[in-house]
Amino acid sequence: GAGVSQSPSNKVTEKGKDVELRCDPISGHTALYWYRQSLGQGLEFLIYFQGNSAPDKSGLPSDRFSAERTGGSVSTLTIQRTQQEDSAVYLCASSTDRVGAKNIQYFGAGTRLSVL
Amino acid sequence: DQQVKQNSPSLSVQEGRISILNCDYTNSMFDYFLWYKKYPAEGPTFLISISSIKDKNEDGRFTVFLNKSAKHLSLHIVPSQPGDSAVYFCAASAGAAGNKLTFGGGTRVLVKP
Repeated sequence: GAGVSQSPSNKVTEKGKDVELRCDPISGHTALYWYRQSLGQGLEFLIYFQGNSAPDKSGLPSDRFSAERTGGSVSTLTIQRTQQEDSAVYLCASSTDRVGAKNIQYFGAGTRLSVL
Repeated sequence: DQQVKQNSPSLSVQEGRISILNCDYTNSMFDYFLWYKKYPAEGPTFLISISSIKDKNEDGRFTVFLNKSAKHLSLHIVPSQPGDSAVYFCAASAGAAGNKLTFGGGTRVLVKP
């Protein structure tokens, strides 16, 4: 079956513009995560959706960042008024998230965002 | 404050020899640890994991060791192959915080033929 799909693969934008990044998780996966990787760094958690529960937004760096997940499947990460420090690779992951079990997260290839 | 640290940014090893990657953590609430491998322009792919109730898990050429008292884990790859050349990330999660992962900064491994 298909893995996690992210689009676009690359996005170049001007400082101050808004951007939307899309993630299609693996079919049937109830949990969806967004991370970002800045140059030379590890992955940094941003937000986590689990089924119909309220999302865990504890990793979002500022109120310019928001995400939604429609119909329990596709997710969109929106960055408003982009800044140069937002330049990074944004990675989406999904997992089955069975209650009481530890679940492996499967990652997409990411969206490389460059803010000029 | 980095809760998961990989202190070696890079590692070079001869094909056929053992690669040992190290990872240290500070959060005693972490109860599950994973290793991911990442090639350029691709997303991380899962390699192996270990629960805090174990001290060793083995899968083929990959073995992960966990020393809870030292808050240290390591990944052994033996024998190393050229296709193992990639960046390896250590990650951890805490049961009470759901499944979100905290990652180390990565170790770039180069396996020389």
